[in-house]
Amino acid sequence: AQKITQTQPGMFVQEKEAVTLDCTYDTSDQSYGLFWYKQPSSGEMIFLIYQGSYDEQNATEGRYSLNFQKARKSANLVISASQLGDSAMYFCAMRGDEANFGNEKLTFGTGTRLTIIP
Amino acid sequence: SAVISQKPSRDICQRGTSLTIQCQVDSQVTMMFWYRQQPGQSLTLIATANQGSEATYESGFVIDKFPISRPNLTFSTLTVSNMSPEDSSIYLCSLAQGPDTQYFGPGTRLTVL
Repeated sequence: AQKITQTQPGMFVQEKEAVTLDCTYDTSDQSYGLFWYKQPSSGEMIFLIYQGSYDEQNATEGRYSLNFQKARKSANLVISASQLGDSAMYFCAMRGDEANFGNEKLTFGTGTRLTIIP
Repeated sequence: SAVISQKPSRDICQRGTSLTIQCQVDSQVTMMFWYRQQPGQSLTLIATANQGSEATYESGFVIDKFPISRPNLTFSTLTVSNMSPEDSSIYLCSLAQGPDTQYFGPGTRLTVL
């Protein structure tokens, strides 16, 4: 079984500053993947970034980067130069070894509500 | 990336009734997933829907309450049966395009009175 922990229920950050959203995970699988999603007030889930457990380099997608520390079982999301439009809920999620058999179901953390202050 | 649509986008229903949510994808996918997000909560997987076979339900979810159909590789439905106010949630379908991408539909916001 997998478990995702997000310990920051809410964060307030000044516009243009960088922000780090924490995510730790627990799994007994050798192969796994970590995802980050953004959920604005509209409710849609927007895929941001992915990190595979065997990827040696940290994933980056534009202003998003994932600080992956495998030994610590952490996968923190870093948003550089935050913008007002970044205000939303952010969820960390994990898929396990079942993906190797075609089942890519995800386990989600409880989320962090990020508010960008002008 | 795949384009996923859901119908209805939102609905208000009476206790004891049923609602069927449709999920349409613009490309063929093997597996589709149905998630529930209760108010202020995270997402919880209801079931995995495979084409041509019965859905696989997660612990705490049963077929009588959440029957799922998957008639082809681009379409699935989730029915919420005999609804109660506790079923008020956002229901989202999703698909995976490989182990490193998973996309969600826009969601169906359900309120049960």
